Amino acid sequence: AQKVTQAQTEISVVEKEDVTLDCVYETRDTTYYLFWYKQPPSGELVFLIRRNSFDEQNEISGRYSWNFQKSTSSFNFTITASQVVDSAVYFCALSEAGVYGGSQGNLIFGKGTKLSVKP
Amino acid sequence: ETGVTQTPRHLVMGMTNKKSLKCEQHLGHNAMYWYKQSAKKPLELMFVYSLEERVENNSVPSRFSPECPNSSHLFLHLHTLQPEDSALYLCASSQDLRLAGGPGETQYFGPGTRLLVL
Repeated sequence: AQKVTQAQTEISVVEKEDVTLDCVYETRDTTYYLFWYKQPPSGELVFLIRRNSFDEQNEISGRYSWNFQKSTSSFNFTITASQVVDSAVYFCALSEAGVYGGSQGNLIFGKGTKLSVKP
Repeated sequence: ETGVTQTPRHLVMGMTNKKSLKCEQHLGHNAMYWYKQSAKKPLELMFVYSLEERVENNSVPSRFSPECPNSSHLFLHLHTLQPEDSALYLCASSQDLRLAGGPGETQYFGPGTRLLVL
C-alpha cells in the first residue's frame, strides 16, 4: 500500500540551527514522484520540490537541501541556518504511476511536521 | 491575479444552509482538485477534474457537490453539512493528468477556505 510517514510531529529549534525533517515512503511502483510542501499559518500549501524515482541526486536550493535515498525509502529535508520565517508545517507527499492499482497522479500526503523556529 | 485563488477565505454556516466555495486558477492548467484538511488528519483528496470531467471521487458524501464549468474554475457546493465537516478546504491545479503523463505533475494550491459548521 502507498504510504508516507513523517514521524516527527513537532520540532522546535532556535534560529540559525540546522534542522532535518524526515520522510519515509512506501510504494510498489518503480515510477513515482516525491514532493515537499510548506504550509505557513496562512494556510496555503507552497510547493518546494519534486523528485522522480530515477533521480537520486541530492538537491540544494539556498538554505534548503533534500536527501533522497531509495535504499531506505527516505526523502529527508534539511534547512540550514533556520530562520523564524521557516516556521510552518511541512508536508512530504508521494505520487505514483498507478501500476499496482494506486490512483495515477494522486498525491498521498504524510501528516506533516510542524516546525517552530524561535528567535 | 496569479496562481490559484479561493473565495471565501472564511465561512461559517449552519447545518441547514447552502453555500458554495469557489476556486480559480490562472496557470493555464487543465486539472483541478479539492482537498479537505482536518485537524490532526492527513490531507484528504476529495475530487479530481481533468478537462472539466470528474475523474476521481474519493467516497465523498453527497452533501458535497463539485462543479467544474471550465478548466479555470472549480466550485464545491455545500448543503446540510455536519459539524465534523468543519475543516480547511484546499483547491489545487496541475497540468492535465491524462495528457501530460499523470504522475509527477506538480500541484499548486490555493490559500484555502476555512469552514466552520455550527
